[in-house]
Amino acid sequence: GENVEQHPSTLSVQEGDSAVIKCTYSDSASNYFPWYKQELGKRPQLIIDIRSNVGEKKDQRIAVTLNKTAKHFSLHITETQPEDSAVYFCAASMAGKSTFGDGTTLTVKP
Amino acid sequence: NAGVTQTPKFRVLKTGQSMTLLCAQDMNHEYMYWYRQDPGMGLRLIHYSVGEGTTAKGEVPDGYNVSRLKKQNFLLGLESAAPSQTSVYFCASSFHVSVLAGITDTQYFGPGTRLTVL
Repeated sequence: GENVEQHPSTLSVQEGDSAVIKCTYSDSASNYFPWYKQELGKRPQLIIDIRSNVGEKKDQRIAVTLNKTAKHFSLHITETQPEDSAVYFCAASMAGKSTFGDGTTLTVKP
Repeated sequence: NAGVTQTPKFRVLKTGQSMTLLCAQDMNHEYMYWYRQDPGMGLRLIHYSVGEGTTAKGEVPDGYNVSRLKKQNFLLGLESAAPSQTSVYFCASSFHVSVLAGITDTQYFGPGTRLTVL
């Protein structure tokens, strides 16, 4: 089955800096790659996603890049703010079934 | 729209007891999922369903059973609870996947059920 590895497990940045979280996947058949943000005690919520026929997608301060050949994708957050502090999960999906990474705890220091 | 709802929000069980977690969605989604989330770990798929009357095993199905008798509901059962099943359980749902139609399989999550087994 699919295996997703996510790095780093924790990330601390100063407000205004950029943050990058990286994921690798094993199954070349995966074709949809969402990123979820989970605040403490809350449910995961989608923040951005990318499909396998696209190399990059941007939504304001958040961007995702996908390298299908290398089987890795990354989340980029620019101009970080304290409210970006949360756990971020990547996932690799195919035909509706998703495999999640173990999460990255992002802390943005004011 | 309520989205995805879960019942109950919290539950404490003794080892060997049984219980059923209920997930309901009002978005007419075909796919529904049950995950467990343990501290420091991601979401692990327990069982999922691609439509009414169908279920399939996920990554960690042992000790759990599911049923999807109605399209909007997905039930997760624990027949004989064990302390290893202490976790937060999330239900999720998504549209039928059709890449050609541009429909992606974004999953919408319920608020979670915190289960403790003593």
